[in-house]
Amino acid sequence: NAGVTQTPKFQVLKTGQSMTLQCAQDMNHNSMYWYRQDPGMGLRLIYYSASEGTTDKGEVPNGYNVSRLNKREFSLRLESAAPSQTSVYFCASSVFRETDTQYFGPGTRLTVL
Amino acid sequence: AQSVAQPEDQVNVAEGNPLTVKCTYSVSGNPYLFWYVQYPNRGLQFLLKYITGDNLVKGSYGFEAEFNKSQTSFHLKKPSALVSDSALYFCAVRDPNAGKSTFGDGTTLTVKP
Repeated sequence: NAGVTQTPKFQVLKTGQSMTLQCAQDMNHNSMYWYRQDPGMGLRLIYYSASEGTTDKGEVPNGYNVSRLNKREFSLRLESAAPSQTSVYFCASSVFRETDTQYFGPGTRLTVL
Repeated sequence: AQSVAQPEDQVNVAEGNPLTVKCTYSVSGNPYLFWYVQYPNRGLQFLLKYITGDNLVKGSYGFEAEFNKSQTSFHLKKPSALVSDSALYFCAVRDPNAGKSTFGDGTTLTVKP
């Protein structure tokens, strides 16, 4: 099993550009999450999907949209990137919501110029 | 609202000495508590969790944590530190009535030979 995979690993955008971060898991997990990690601020939840077909906002959803394409895939879209969105983005999954352990992908390092 | 605090940004210990990484939390109900570790340029990895039952929880790589309800703490411990334990450690809490977990800001553990 590959676990949780994320693409791309690195990305540089100019202000105003758009992009989609891809996440897939092969563990048959129901729940998936997107976090951003910034120095001194820990992990902050952007959006999550408790199960296929549902999505909910986390702590910092502004400027982002998500799509739970199917049970395996959960994408994060930046419609108009801003320098404040420079961060490391992690996708995670768990069997069912958060009573269970979350499994994290390797991250995407995004720089917005 | 739920919150978690890791009061120390940095913990330094000598190899072979015991280590403690502190975590305190605030939730309205009985908490679910987690510890994760992050090595450089990697995603987070699960160490251990407390859901219910015995207050002393044992996890991966010889780590353990003690749930203390009266002090609202869940400190991570290891009897004998290894240089390879050097990493960034995150505590997370979830109120079972909430839809998502909250992560602390992280504590950098450095174990010196």
